[in-house]
Amino acid sequence: NAGVMQNPRHLVRRRGQEARLRCSPMKGHSHVYWYRQLPEEGLKFMVYLQKENIIDESGMPKERFSAEFPKEGPSILRIQQVVRGDSAAYFCASSPTLEGGTEAFFGQGTRLTVV
Amino acid sequence: KNQVEQSPQSLIILEGKNCTLQCNYTVSPFSNLRWYKQDTGRGPVSLTIMTFSENTKSNGRYTATLDADTKQSSLHITASQLSDSASYICVVRRGGATNKLIFGTGTLLAVQP
Repeated sequence: NAGVMQNPRHLVRRRGQEARLRCSPMKGHSHVYWYRQLPEEGLKFMVYLQKENIIDESGMPKERFSAEFPKEGPSILRIQQVVRGDSAAYFCASSPTLEGGTEAFFGQGTRLTVV
Repeated sequence: KNQVEQSPQSLIILEGKNCTLQCNYTVSPFSNLRWYKQDTGRGPVSLTIMTFSENTKSNGRYTATLDADTKQSSLHITASQLSDSASYICVVRRGGATNKLIFGTGTLLAVQP
């Protein structure tokens, strides 16, 4: 059973371009979470999705950022018109259920650099 | 405000020594508390998960404690190894439907030979 897969591992974009980050959860997991880690800072919650639904997007910036988790395929975090401040590591985690003690497994992250 | 604070921010110890990392939280309602280890450039990996009723939980050389009354947790590392060098992150899951994990900023541990 492969772990949480994120791609690409590294992504370089020029200011104003779009960035698409992909996350394939572990097999059987229907809950996906996205976190952002700025340099020298901790992970900050962005969005929590279940298949075809956004459950909690309270950590998402109001503009330029969107996320989806379609019925088929990976979860996508999309950043439009990237700016230098978007440079960070973006981590995805997945879990199978809502139960409190359920483990959340993290991917290796995508490191976005905006030049 | 739901927060998780960790101390110290960084720590240097010699190989073979023990250390204890601290975590204080104000998250409410509380569901569980987790300690993660994050190696540089990697995703976090879970060490322990503790629920409200658990006071102590061990995982090899790692022992976590939880005092739900004072909202404090600690992670004790015994007989440290060079491979223990990493960031240790305290994470509290908030109760309710949002299933949100709230992260501390971590303690950066460096184990030196």
